[in-house]
Amino acid sequence: QVTLKESGPALVKPTQTLTLTCTFSGFALSTTGMRLTWIRQRPGKALEWLARIDWDDDTFYRRPLKTRLTISKGRSKNQVVLTMTDMDPADTATYFCARLREGDYFFDSWGQGLLVTVSS
Amino acid sequence: QSVLTQPPSVSGAPGQRVTISCTGSGSNFGAGYDVHWYKQFPGTAPQLVIYANSNRPSGVPDRFSGSRSGTSASLVITGLRADDDGDYYCQSYDTSLSDWVFGGGTKLTVL
Repeated sequence: QVTLKESGPALVKPTQTLTLTCTFSGFALSTTGMRLTWIRQRPGKALEWLARIDWDDDTFYRRPLKTRLTISKGRSKNQVVLTMTDMDPADTATYFCARLREGDYFFDSWGQGLLVTVSS
Repeated sequence: QSVLTQPPSVSGAPGQRVTISCTGSGSNFGAGYDVHWYKQFPGTAPQLVIYANSNRPSGVPDRFSGSRSGTSASLVITGLRADDDGDYYCQSYDTSLSDWVFGGGTKLTVL
């Protein structure tokens, strides 16, 4: 059974750096073709794909946010970390991690999501 | 404004059929990229209900069906049930944005 779970702070201040961790089980990111992504949902807005990391450590970012985002594999082989710098109240959102597999263009498993509020 | 356009809301009585539309463009559906559909209850993770236009993941009932033609796609739910209530999102890939894109979501209300 594939499971994913996001963890991190529920509240950050403007200009701070957000660090989120996705802890997953039921699959190995080291498996050829496996990919893990971060997606967010701002209040009242559509879902937005943010970043992706592949089994071979390739990384990809949403163009407008590229300079602020870093996705990496965590210290544990079942974790992926997303950092977003210079947080703004407009970044208040529920952040999800989701699995994507090479050849598929859909997200077949999602974490429950983590609401992050940016406020002073 | 979302790259994929969905109606904000649809409704239907139990047992009825509803259709949720999703309109894209030449850089997503028109470029040959498939549509995928997710259902989301408030405060929970989206759940894949249709992938690659018309395929159902294991566990999704055959009351759910999907199609894509040109730059438009549709999700059809027949035999509406109370637990179909929720938000539905379409999703594709956009080659001009190099980005996975979502519709703005459609709130389905079962009357």
